[in-house]
Amino acid sequence: EAQVTQNPRYLITVTGKKLTVTCSQNMNHEYMSWYRQDPGLGLRQIYYSMNVEVTDKGDVPEGYKVSRKEKRNFPLILESPSPNQTSLYFCASSIRGNYGYTFGSGTRLTVV
Amino acid sequence: QQPVQSPQAVILREGEDAVINCSSSKALYSVHWYRQKHGEAPVFLMILLKGGEQKGHDKISASFNEKKQQSSLYLTASQLSYSGTYFCGIEYNFNKFYFGSGTKLNVKP
Repeated sequence: EAQVTQNPRYLITVTGKKLTVTCSQNMNHEYMSWYRQDPGLGLRQIYYSMNVEVTDKGDVPEGYKVSRKEKRNFPLILESPSPNQTSLYFCASSIRGNYGYTFGSGTRLTVV
Repeated sequence: QQPVQSPQAVILREGEDAVINCSSSKALYSVHWYRQKHGEAPVFLMILLKGGEQKGHDKISASFNEKKQQSSLYLTASQLSYSGTYFCGIEYNFNKFYFGSGTKLNVKP
């Protein structure tokens, strides 16, 4: 089944403890992107990648890192999480430009 | 640079029509529309690439007015399954995305 898989689905962590949210797609998509969703603010783009080793900042990149070493994987790294990064995170992929995105199921992160 | 969506919420009876608008303060490259049901991921509905382009998806269609820098989503003869939050997504630069804050649609029997 064609899909974007995120792990974990739920995560509670403490301030400052490094964490990684994984994202993998099995559709051979070139484009991948990370979003955070907060009430009243909609979805905001954190980082995006147009291909392997090509990444760029979205609208709210502060406090996050990404890497794209393989086409299928696009992990989101929080080196030192803070409570203001408590949010619902979505990974998404697209075959290339001018096509719609397929979203993963989301990761609900709570930083205490 | 976040596009402005209106209205913020709509309540309909089954069979009624609705229009959701998405406006940008600057020139657009493309417009995407997504629907998100509660507790689920957004699902892609359609993309509009050219000014004046209209697309349809069952009884859901959309238009893109490049000159006015806006797009509208039309839901015709709404069904219960149409309930959810609708987001427009705007590309200003290639692949850099800004979503609107969403329109909550509630279709009642």
